[in-house]
Amino acid sequence: GQNIDQPTEMTATEGAIVQINCTYQTSGFNGLFWYQQHAGEAPTFLSYNVLDGLEEKGRFSSFLSRSKGYSYLLLKELQMKDSASYLCAAMDSNYQLIWGAGTKLIIKP
Amino acid sequence: DTAVSQTPKYLVTQMGNDKSIKCEQNLGHDTMYWYKQDSKKFLKIMFSYNNKELIINETVPNRFSPKSPDKAHLNLHINSLELGDSAVYFCASSLTLYDSFNVLTFGAGSRLTVL
Repeated sequence: GQNIDQPTEMTATEGAIVQINCTYQTSGFNGLFWYQQHAGEAPTFLSYNVLDGLEEKGRFSSFLSRSKGYSYLLLKELQMKDSASYLCAAMDSNYQLIWGAGTKLIIKP
Repeated sequence: DTAVSQTPKYLVTQMGNDKSIKCEQNLGHDTMYWYKQDSKKFLKIMFSYNNKELIINETVPNRFSPKSPDKAHLNLHINSLELGDSAVYFCASSLTLYDSFNVLTFGAGSRLTVL
């Protein structure tokens, strides 16, 4: 079956760096997405990887290893506003998104 | 200018009632979706429409009926509401369906509570 695994919750300190891991199993692969969802709000797009390697976008970076079925989202210089859930989603060969349950990130001062 | 707008934001109703949620997007996208997010925060696809045509209809009870009068609108009607229908329902849109770089723009969500 198709599956996404990511940690349920993580805690980090303001100003620090945190890495949120995601492993996926899909029928075929057309890319890996990360979305951010603040409590009570809609998910918003953060990043997309389809080739192996690191994509950097300001304080956020996302990495993909297709051979390992693995991605991570790296958040640097954490700010209190980064407290949110981070959703990993993989696209299968039918262009359907398979979603993880999300990782709730708690930032402490 | 809200890109994807859905109404109402909150719905509280009794079991057995019928309710509708409306969604509109002004992004010129071809594809629209309905997702359900339960208390465990899983986002589950319910329906997707591409240019008013139903493409995906996951294993959703037939009490749920989507309607797309045009490609900018996708409404969701729910008959005979049950306690398990309580969730947040998100409408979303994307430029197209059959593209790997398919970024979804979500509406703010409609929180349905069935008593």
